Amino acid sequence: GENVEQHPSTLSVQEGDSAVIKCTYSDSASNYFPWYKQELGKRPQLIIDIRSNVGEKKDQRIAVTLNKTAKHFSLHITETQPEDSAVYFCAANPNQGGKLIFGQGTELSVKP
Amino acid sequence: DVKVTQSSRYLVKRTGEKVFLECVQDMDHENMFWYRQDPGLGLRLIYFSYDVKMKEKGDIPEGYSVSREKKERFSLILESASTNQTSMYLCASSPVRGRYEQYFGPGTRLTVT
Repeated sequence: GENVEQHPSTLSVQEGDSAVIKCTYSDSASNYFPWYKQELGKRPQLIIDIRSNVGEKKDQRIAVTLNKTAKHFSLHITETQPEDSAVYFCAANPNQGGKLIFGQGTELSVKP
Repeated sequence: DVKVTQSSRYLVKRTGEKVFLECVQDMDHENMFWYRQDPGLGLRLIYFSYDVKMKEKGDIPEGYSVSREKKERFSLILESASTNQTSMYLCASSPVRGRYEQYFGPGTRLTVT
């Protein structure tokens, strides 16, 4: 069935280092891949998304890359800061539809 | 700014009770979704709706039902609450069928004792 796998489940980095979170999806028809950030006690918020007609997208310190052939996409955060500490979720839309299937989440900890 | 609100932040109910969770969005969004969030399992889709009076099952609909009588409001109903339904429940909305970005409410932490 439709599935999104996310790794790692936890990630700890030093402030200033880069962080990479990876996701794979099962439905080759998926065409939308968002990333959400959820701070402790807060709602998930969309931080970046990419569509299948694009291979990479950047927004300041964050970037997302997509490999459609391999059916995986990644979130890259450069020059990490303590305020980047949160749980990050990837997602994909099976059958190019409006619903999203989410990964299991990655808890990122940035140590000062 | 999109605003999605949920009726309660915290709720405690007893086993067997009927529970209503309400979600309201104020941006005229067509699509609305209910998820539950459990540690290590991510966000799992319970039900969703693309239009008034329309509903579709998500990945874990068992034990839940929904109602969408008005465009801005989407209700999640636990017909007979059980302890395994203790969870964080998140509502989300998205603009129209071809626009996939979802905006989340603050969540309801439901405890069933």
